[in-house]
Amino acid sequence: EAGVAQSPRYKIIEKRQSVAFWCNPISGHATLYWYQQILGQGPKLLIQFQNNGVVDDSQLPKDRFSAERLKGVDSTLKIQPAKLEDSAVYLCASSLETGTDTQYFGPGTRLTVL
Amino acid sequence: GQSLEQPSEVTAVEGAIVQINCTYQTSGFYGLSWYQQHDGGAPTFLSYNALDGLEETGRFSSFLSRSDSYGYLLLQELQMKDSASYFCAVCMDTGRRALTFGSGTRLQVQP
Repeated sequence: EAGVAQSPRYKIIEKRQSVAFWCNPISGHATLYWYQQILGQGPKLLIQFQNNGVVDDSQLPKDRFSAERLKGVDSTLKIQPAKLEDSAVYLCASSLETGTDTQYFGPGTRLTVL
Repeated sequence: GQSLEQPSEVTAVEGAIVQINCTYQTSGFYGLSWYQQHDGGAPTFLSYNALDGLEETGRFSSFLSRSDSYGYLLLQELQMKDSASYFCAVCMDTGRRALTFGSGTRLQVQP
């Protein structure tokens, strides 16, 4: 079974530039999550999708961050414009709609904002 | 609000047993999970407790006391490859099932 795929793995941009991250969840997983993990901290939920609908985006900085999950499969997270404090690893995870609470994480995208 | 507390670092030797504690204060509680993350890697699921008691999976066990808002991860027969960060995470809502993670415990296993 293929895992959660993310791209790119690394991205370096300057502040005020834009960046987009892509995630392909495990086939059949209805729920998709985007987390931000700052160095030395635990992952922090940014947004949760159930199929193509948003379940929770309460911690998403909506003035600069946006995310979509068209057709209920792949998802894109965008930052525009980026700030220095956005430097972090952006993790995508997916889980089955029912069953245990196991979330399967992708390898992440390490973003550096200069 | 919600908070999870776990030790920032733990050191142990190969073959030993180590316990990583986690206390939580959350507005709701559905279950406690544990994830392992090697440097530069993705978090991977280790165990989950929704009810009080001990869950055992090979060398790893996890315990939960809902009345004490407390849980721990027990790692036995430590191996060098167990050197990683370990996160406890609380699921507060059965509908959303999103996780709130602690800040992690960095475990260093020494020969």
